[in-house]
Amino acid sequence: GAGVSQSPRYKVAKRGQDVALRCDPISGHVSLFWYQQALGQGPEFLTYFQNEAQLDKSGLPSDRFFAERPEGSVSTLKIQRTQQEDSAVYLCASSLGIRVGGHYNEQFFGPGTRLTVL
Amino acid sequence: DAKTTQPNSMESNEEEPVHLPCNHSTISGTDYIHWYRQLPSQGPEYVIHGLTSNVNNRMASLAIAEDRKSSTLILHRATLRDAAVYYCILRGLYNQGGKLIFGQGTELSVKP
Repeated sequence: GAGVSQSPRYKVAKRGQDVALRCDPISGHVSLFWYQQALGQGPEFLTYFQNEAQLDKSGLPSDRFFAERPEGSVSTLKIQRTQQEDSAVYLCASSLGIRVGGHYNEQFFGPGTRLTVL
Repeated sequence: DAKTTQPNSMESNEEEPVHLPCNHSTISGTDYIHWYRQLPSQGPEYVIHGLTSNVNNRMASLAIAEDRKSSTLILHRATLRDAAVYYCILRGLYNQGGKLIFGQGTELSVKP
C-alpha cells in the first residue's frame, strides 16, 4: 500500500520567494504532522492537524509559515518570503490518531522535501 | 515531555548485537518510551515502544530498567541496512495529538 508521499522532493528558492510543500498522507489517517529538520539535527515539530482542524501550531517559527488541510486529507505547508534559515528538510507524518490505552499509535513519515534557499 | 539523553554515535560490526542506551531520568509514570530510526535520506520510521515491560518485535527488542530511568534498544544481529540515526523519545499520555519530540539521537554505523 502507498505510504506518505511528499512533493516536490527538492526545492530551490531564491530568498524572498514563496514556496508550497505538499503532503499526501496515508488514506484514512486522521492525524497529520509537519516537522522541520535542519542539517545534522533531529526533526522539530511544526504543526498538527486532526482531520481538517489545525489543533497545534506551536512549533511554527514565524508568521511566514502557514499550513492547511482543507478537506482533511492532503496538506500544504506554505512558507512566505523565504529566508536562508528556512533551508531544511520538511517532513510530513500521518497516523490513525487513535488512542489505545490513552496512548497514540505510531506515525508514518514521508521522505521529506529538501528546501534550499539561496 | 521529559528529556532523553543518548550517545552521539556508536559503531557495530555486521551480524553482532547492538545495544543502544537511552537515559530518561525525569520520566513520568505515564510516559511511553518510543524508538524511531532514520535511515540516510529518508524520513524516520517507527521501531518499537514500551511502558514498563520489555518488548520484542520483528525489528528489535526494548529493555526497560526497573526504575524506568533508562532503556536500551537491542538489535540482535546488526546488518548494513541498520546504519541509521536512532531516536529515543518519550510520549506523554496527554501529549496533544501524540506529536514527537526528537533529540539528537545516536548515529549507528555498521562495519562489514
